Amino acid sequence: NAGVTQTPKFQVLKTGQSMTLQCAQDMNHNSMYWYRQDPGMGLRLIYYSASEGTTDKGEVPNGYNVSRLNKREFSLRLESAAPSQTSVYFCASTALTYYTYEQYFGPGTRLTVT
Amino acid sequence: GEDVEQSLFLSVREGDSSVINCTYTDSSSTYLYWYKQEPGAGLQLLTYIFSNMDMKQDQRLTVLLNKKDKHLSLRIADTQTGDSAIYFCAVLPSDNQGGKLIFGQGTELSVKP
Repeated sequence: NAGVTQTPKFQVLKTGQSMTLQCAQDMNHNSMYWYRQDPGMGLRLIYYSASEGTTDKGEVPNGYNVSRLNKREFSLRLESAAPSQTSVYFCASTALTYYTYEQYFGPGTRLTVT
Repeated sequence: GEDVEQSLFLSVREGDSSVINCTYTDSSSTYLYWYKQEPGAGLQLLTYIFSNMDMKQDQRLTVLLNKKDKHLSLRIADTQTGDSAIYFCAVLPSDNQGGKLIFGQGTELSVKP
């Protein structure tokens, strides 16, 4: 049971390049999320998917697109990278337990846009 | 919408108690959480409290909830250097949308030997 996995771990892009961040979970969770983390800003939600086949914008969606490929996988795409997208990106999925929701995080992707 | 606020830094000496504070705006939030992020890693769930509780204790961790003041705190007893990390407060809003949490900015705890 690997939990939430993300690839790549590190990436350097030039302004204008595109890339896709991959995320997968093997816990059979319905909901998945993409966050970015910047110093002093905490975690900001980019997009989320409450279930397979649905996606919704979060707090900071501009410049990003997502695909919920199936129940396991949720990818984040940067079509034309900008220096303002330099950040650490986290994918997460949520389990509904008997008591509450518990959110599980991947290890993160550190992206630098030059 | 819901807003969650934390102070950014806290420094303590090894062996002291640490208290990390959080305020939130939605008085109808149902569950409140504390997550820990170690350097270079993702967030891990430490503990949570249901809104009808005032206190929850789990080994060295004590969570206090003051619903009237919309204030949540995490106390770490006998703080160790391994507790150095960023601690995030998060709430599940009353308009629960499939478990979507609102996070604070995170408090960086530095433990000095």
